Amino acid sequence: QVQLQKSGPGLVKPSETLSLTCSVSGGSISSYYWSWIRQPPGKGLEWIGYIHHSGNTKYSPSLKSRLTISVDTSKSQFSLRLSSVTAADTAVYYCARGVVVVAAREGHFDNWGQGTLVTVSS
Amino acid sequence: SYVLTQPPSVSVAPGKTARITCGGDRIGLKSVHWYQQKPGQAPVLVIYYDSDRPSGIPERFSASNSGNTATLTISRVEAGDEADFYCQVWDSDGDHGGVFGGGTKLTVV
Repeated sequence: QVQLQKSGPGLVKPSETLSLTCSVSGGSISSYYWSWIRQPPGKGLEWIGYIHHSGNTKYSPSLKSRLTISVDTSKSQFSLRLSSVTAADTAVYYCARGVVVVAAREGHFDNWGQGTLVTVSS
Repeated sequence: SYVLTQPPSVSVAPGKTARITCGGDRIGLKSVHWYQQKPGQAPVLVIYYDSDRPSGIPERFSASNSGNTATLTISRVEAGDEADFYCQVWDSDGDHGGVFGGGTKLTVV
């Protein structure tokens, strides 16, 4: 069973950059689309974006201008950077394994890491 | 972007059947996936590709998808089933990737 372990600060100041890393163990980082999903406190889930081990990415249009997702296959890790954060970016951030069929424009998330609350506050 | 609509809450007595709906424009033409999220935990995939169950998910969980509504059905509901449930599709016509419904709180009363 693949496991995803997230690391990164739980508090970020407004206007700064939120950075999180997810380490993949118990399975290969190849052949899947590694995703970030967030959940504001008391609210629903929001897909942020994904990266394939090849480096191919897809981002949510609403976050695209501030978002970078990268992958380090040698370390079986993928990372999220969200710049110019505001209080609206306060959320529990999840990393997840995406099963995506790009040609069919279809996908779902079959393994999730434990979420971590990231608070944007001065 | 594509919009999925779920009822905010559903209540059911233990041993009865719970049905949670997910509405969307011609959702029957898309693949629908369902997640269960218990308090303080990450979501867990319980149904994928409309009606398939991952290993380890009880047969009490089933689902269907047709027309403008997808439905998750939980038979013989147990107290431990109480959770938030989210439906999800891929925004195949747009550029929004994964799209989630607003979630339904299942209460076992």
